[in-house]
Amino acid sequence: DSGVTQTPKHLITATGQRVTLRCSPRSGDLSVYWYQQSLDQGLQFLIQYYNGEERAKGNILERFSAQQFPDLHSELNLSSLELGDSALYFCASSRGFGEAFFGQGTRLTVV
Amino acid sequence: LAKTTQPISMDSYEGQEVNITCSHNNIATNDYITWYQQFPSQGPRFIIQGYKTKVTNEVASLFIPADRKSSTLSLPRVSLSDTAVYYCLVEDSNYQLIWGAGTKLIIKP
Repeated sequence: DSGVTQTPKHLITATGQRVTLRCSPRSGDLSVYWYQQSLDQGLQFLIQYYNGEERAKGNILERFSAQQFPDLHSELNLSSLELGDSALYFCASSRGFGEAFFGQGTRLTVV
Repeated sequence: LAKTTQPISMDSYEGQEVNITCSHNNIATNDYITWYQQFPSQGPRFIIQGYKTKVTNEVASLFIPADRKSSTLSLPRVSLSDTAVYYCLVEDSNYQLIWGAGTKLIIKP
């Protein structure tokens, strides 16, 4: 158990819909990262937050947004969903640099 | 930004030492190199991180030559449970995270 909690574990939704994925980082970790992993593909870095502020942005689509709240949990919002958005979405947390701890992921299926 | 390149797959046998090399030609002075292991349907797990020369922990060693344009993850005496995908990652001073495409390692009995 990495200490990073992601909810929900599975999500099935229709095209055009909007969903919110939630992440609770390890106690004491200030950084949260979001990743997308499509079937049998590598990890695509989406965005990183540090202590409530956006720190780095990767290949995140404009239809996607994220935020980190004062209690350090984070949410990833995906809107106008397309079939190609079906993937595993991982959240990870760290002290700010170095070793990151990953959650078990949310498997999103868009039908 | 650094670009990371690693072999798509590798095979080895139980008890052997396995070396996986990642190329990162454009690595900058302050960038760190990290390796992760991932099993199917699980989140990646940290293996080792380094900046230069050699780093060793209880599960692996990381070799980084002086020019830092590549790095080699060394797994001693692998077992069947080491079958997984291994990713190298370059993290730059702007907090950008450049992941390799992953190396699928298959260990045979």
